[in-house]
Amino acid sequence: GAVVSQHPSRVICKSGTSVKIECRSLDFQATTMFWYRQFPKKSLMLMATSNEGSKATYEQGVEKDKFLINHASLTLSTLTVTSAHPEDSSFYICSARVGGLGNQPQHFGDGTRLSIL
Amino acid sequence: ELKVEQNPLFLSMQEGKNYTIYCNYSTTSDRLYWYRQDPGKSLESLFVLLSNGAVKQEGRLMASLDTKARLSTLHITAAVHDLSATYFCAVGRGRDDKIIFGKGTRLHILP
Repeated sequence: GAVVSQHPSRVICKSGTSVKIECRSLDFQATTMFWYRQFPKKSLMLMATSNEGSKATYEQGVEKDKFLINHASLTLSTLTVTSAHPEDSSFYICSARVGGLGNQPQHFGDGTRLSIL
Repeated sequence: ELKVEQNPLFLSMQEGKNYTIYCNYSTTSDRLYWYRQDPGKSLESLFVLLSNGAVKQEGRLMASLDTKARLSTLHITAAVHDLSATYFCAVGRGRDDKIIFGKGTRLHILP
């Protein structure tokens, strides 16, 4: 089945550090990937849609300059949390879909647990 | 604005019992998904429902969709401890490829 790989799985760093998270589709091409954020025991909140070769589309309330997204190829999207602060600590998950709109589920990466000290 | 509501949000039940999780959504959609999440893990796809009256079953789980009522159900038959997890429904939004998640139902099955 379709596999989405996310790296790193866990990051602990000091406040002010920028952190880059990678999301790769291993056995399929994904023109669109999605980035979500999840707080403990809460649901997934869509942050942005990553489009290969063009600018990402951000959801309302998500700071574009804080969460930089780059989708440089059909198999890789990156999320960079710039100048991270403790309130950015969260579980970040990416997803990608195989095939046409809607008829396939989104496949999720294993997530990245980000802890800012 | 699409809103997705699940209930109950928390469910504790005995092994062997049956129960149903409900997912209501506020605007028309032609695609609904159910996912499972184990603690500290990512999401696993369970079902994709694309048409009114769609019913899918996998083991002890069965999902259905009523697009007219904007309601999907996830039915658990003869629950076993291994089914303990958080279950999310998610609904496709408009013409784009985005999906909006419900708050999730934390299912705890007592042995």
